[in-house]
Amino acid sequence: NAGVTQTPKFRVLKTGQSMTLLCAQDMNHEYMYWYRQDPGMGLRLIHYSVGEGTTAKGEVPDGYNVSRLKKQNFLLGLESAAPSQTSVYFCASRKIAGGSSYEQYFGPGTRLTVT
Amino acid sequence: RKEVEQDPGPFNVPEGATVAFNCTYSNSASQSFFWYRQDCRKEPKLLMSVYSSGNEDGRFTAQLNRASQYISLLIRDSKLSDSATYLCVVNRADKLIFGTGTRLQVFP
Repeated sequence: NAGVTQTPKFRVLKTGQSMTLLCAQDMNHEYMYWYRQDPGMGLRLIHYSVGEGTTAKGEVPDGYNVSRLKKQNFLLGLESAAPSQTSVYFCASRKIAGGSSYEQYFGPGTRLTVT
Repeated sequence: RKEVEQDPGPFNVPEGATVAFNCTYSNSASQSFFWYRQDCRKEPKLLMSVYSSGNEDGRFTAQLNRASQYISLLIRDSKLSDSATYLCVVNRADKLIFGTGTRLQVFP
């Protein structure tokens, strides 16, 4: 049981390049999330998904797109990378809430640098 | 004003000390509350949920005051291994809202 995995772990992009970050979870969770974490800003929600085939915008969605074609995978795309997108990206998942079950399980993160 | 506010610290305390962190939240509709722990360059992990009646897990005690919209975390008998950033988290609908974290450094 690997939990939440993210690919790649590190990446350096030039301005204007595109890339896709992959998040995979093997816990059969319905909900999946993409965050970015910057110094002094905390974790900010980019996009999220409440089930296969559905996505929704979070707090900072501009410049990113997502897709959830399979329940276990949530992809984050950068179409034209900008230096402002240099950050650590975390994926998280959780099951449908019941009682106090809002706990999110996080992947190890992807460190992205855009030059 | 941020939806979840925390003192960023750092809190520098000796081993064995008791330390308390506070957090305030602005959305009275928040239903669930948590403390997450994040080690340097690692992912956040759930430390404990916070209930209205207060709850304890070993050396850690969490309290919630809904009237004041205030959450606290108390760590007793601090260990070197407690050094980390502690994130105050509240839920809003399908999302979790994270504070920016309070950094704790425990020294020998």
